Amino acid sequence: DAGVIQSPRHEVTEMGQEVTLRCKPISGHDYLFWYRQTMMRGLELLIYFNNNVPIDDSGMPEDRFSAKMPNASFSTLKIQPSEPRDSAVYFCASSSGGDPQALGELFFGEGSRLTVL
Amino acid sequence: AQSVTQLGSHVSVSEGALVLLRCNYSSSVPPYLFWYVQYPNQGLQLLLKYTTGATLVKGINGFEAEFKKSETSFHLTKPSAHMSDAAEYFCAVRKPGANNLFFGTGTRLTVIP
Repeated sequence: DAGVIQSPRHEVTEMGQEVTLRCKPISGHDYLFWYRQTMMRGLELLIYFNNNVPIDDSGMPEDRFSAKMPNASFSTLKIQPSEPRDSAVYFCASSSGGDPQALGELFFGEGSRLTVL
Repeated sequence: AQSVTQLGSHVSVSEGALVLLRCNYSSSVPPYLFWYVQYPNQGLQLLLKYTTGATLVKGINGFEAEFKKSETSFHLTKPSAHMSDAAEYFCAVRKPGANNLFFGTGTRLTVIP
């Protein structure tokens, strides 16, 4: 089975540009999470969805960040306008909330490394 | 509020030596506890987890961890380090009934030949 798929793997952009990161969760998973990883702050939960509905977006840094999940197989994280401090690795993860055997197990994508110049 | 503290951002061990990575948590209720491993340029993958039952849990690659409620700890161990164990290790906590994980700051393990 395919795992969580993220694109692009690497993105270099200039300050002020719009950035869109994409995620395809594992088929059948009903939870999707967006995390950001930096040296200074470690792994931070930005937002998570259940059945395509945003449940908790309290980790989203500011209005420049937005996330959508139009269907069960696709999610985007958008930054507009981007700033150098947004440089980080952004991870998408999915999980199956209804499977007791998989309780709490998140399956991570390989991440999107964003560099904002 | 929940939090996870990992003592030591960097740990170095010799090949064949014991690996001990420390994790302490704070939670208002007994949480579910996890260890994840991250190899370079990859996402995180689950090593092991504690939810209920036996407090000593075994994971992949020879790792194990023991939940000690009295010490609010969930330290990760492996009897004999291998070069392939070099990676970053994250402890995480989840409150029962919740769906999101809170991660510690990570411990980078270096294995010296």
